[in-house]
Amino acid sequence: EAGVTQFPSHSVIEKGQTVTLRCDPISGHDNLYWYRRVMGKEIKFLLHFVKESKQDESGMPNNRFLAERTGGTYSTLKVQPAELEDSGVYFCASSQVQYRGRGSEAFFGQGTRLTVV
Amino acid sequence: AQRVTQPEKLLSVFKGAPVELKCNYSYSGSPELFWYVQYSRQRLQLLLRHISRESIKGFTADLNKGETSFHLKKPFAQEEDSAMYYCALSVWSGNTGKLIFGQGTTLQVKP
Repeated sequence: EAGVTQFPSHSVIEKGQTVTLRCDPISGHDNLYWYRRVMGKEIKFLLHFVKESKQDESGMPNNRFLAERTGGTYSTLKVQPAELEDSGVYFCASSQVQYRGRGSEAFFGQGTRLTVV
Repeated sequence: AQRVTQPEKLLSVFKGAPVELKCNYSYSGSPELFWYVQYSRQRLQLLLRHISRESIKGFTADLNKGETSFHLKKPFAQEEDSAMYYCALSVWSGNTGKLIFGQGTTLQVKP
């Protein structure tokens, strides 16, 4: 079974440019999450999709970040325009269902390392 | 406030020594806690969850609600245990859950 796949694995862009990250979840997983780890900090939640709907986007840092999941399959996270503080590792995760109190597992992709210079 | 604290950035032990990676949490609801591990050049993966009360690769973790802790333990460390370990708390808003992570602890097992 293919795991969660993220593209690209690395991206180096200049401040002010646009970058689009892509995540392909495990087939059949309705839940898709984006997380980010900025250098020296903890991994932080960005947002959560259930199929194509945004369930929780409370972690999105500002309106320069736009996430989509058209058709409820893969998702994209666009940063426009990128700033220096956006540098970090962006993780995508997916899960089949969420069971409150039953600790359902989220499967993570390998991450995209974004460097803004 | 919802928070996970891992006080040690780096834990270095010799092979065969006991290991304890500390994790404390703050959460007003009923906690669901996990340990995730990231080996070198691999993706983040679930190691264990408190609800399963399981032992994976010799690791165990007990939820202590009185001390709000979920420390990860292994009696005899192996070199292949060297990795980054993250404690995570599942927090819920209605029917939607998300993970809150600690800052992570790098475990280095020396030969």
